[in-house]
Amino acid sequence: KNQVEQSPQSLIILEGKNCTLQCNYTVSPFSNLRWYKQDTGRGPVSLTIMTFSENTKSNGRYTATLDADTKQSSLHITASQLSDSASYICVVSEGYSSASKIIFGSGTRLSIRP
Amino acid sequence: KAGVTQTPRYLIKTRGQQVTLSCSPISGHRSVSWYQQTPGQGLQFLFEYFSETQRNKGNFPGRFSGRQFSNSRSEMNVSTLELGDSALYLCASSLVPAANEKLFFGSGTQLSVL
Repeated sequence: KNQVEQSPQSLIILEGKNCTLQCNYTVSPFSNLRWYKQDTGRGPVSLTIMTFSENTKSNGRYTATLDADTKQSSLHITASQLSDSASYICVVSEGYSSASKIIFGSGTRLSIRP
Repeated sequence: KAGVTQTPRYLIKTRGQQVTLSCSPISGHRSVSWYQQTPGQGLQFLFEYFSETQRNKGNFPGRFSGRQFSNSRSEMNVSTLELGDSALYLCASSLVPAANEKLFFGSGTQLSVL
């Protein structure tokens, strides 16, 4: 069964600190992996998209890594800010057909404390 | 360029009623997909439309339906509302319905069923 699992479920860190969120998947055939940021009560916003051949992708203070062999991805946030408080969702696409073949992780709820 | 617009932003209904939600995609985007998000289940795919045709449907009962108009705007309808239908309903648009297409989400409609 295609699954996407994220850890930790929630995380609290102090402003200015770094953190790393994990995503493990068992999706096949693999198309791409995305990280989204979702503020409370809002829609998800895309942070990064990585295909099979990409190992690292950055978007400002956000850096995503992908190990297609172990089927693991991580999202590293550098020098966290209060505005980083949000849920981070890992999404894996199966095949190349349509939006129906995307599998969502349950997300990591990140809280940044001043 | 305007983003994905969902209306209404909030909605309160009672059990047994029906509801219609609207989604206007980004100009030029022809694919619209709908998702239900609850604290317990996370994000789940409802259905996807492209060129006024439903391409895929998730594992939801027939009470959930949708349609897409010639201008790519989409509506989803839920009939005979149940308490468990309370959720954030998100729509996303993309240029075409491909798994590797970037999805742009709206802010969602928060539906509360009393």
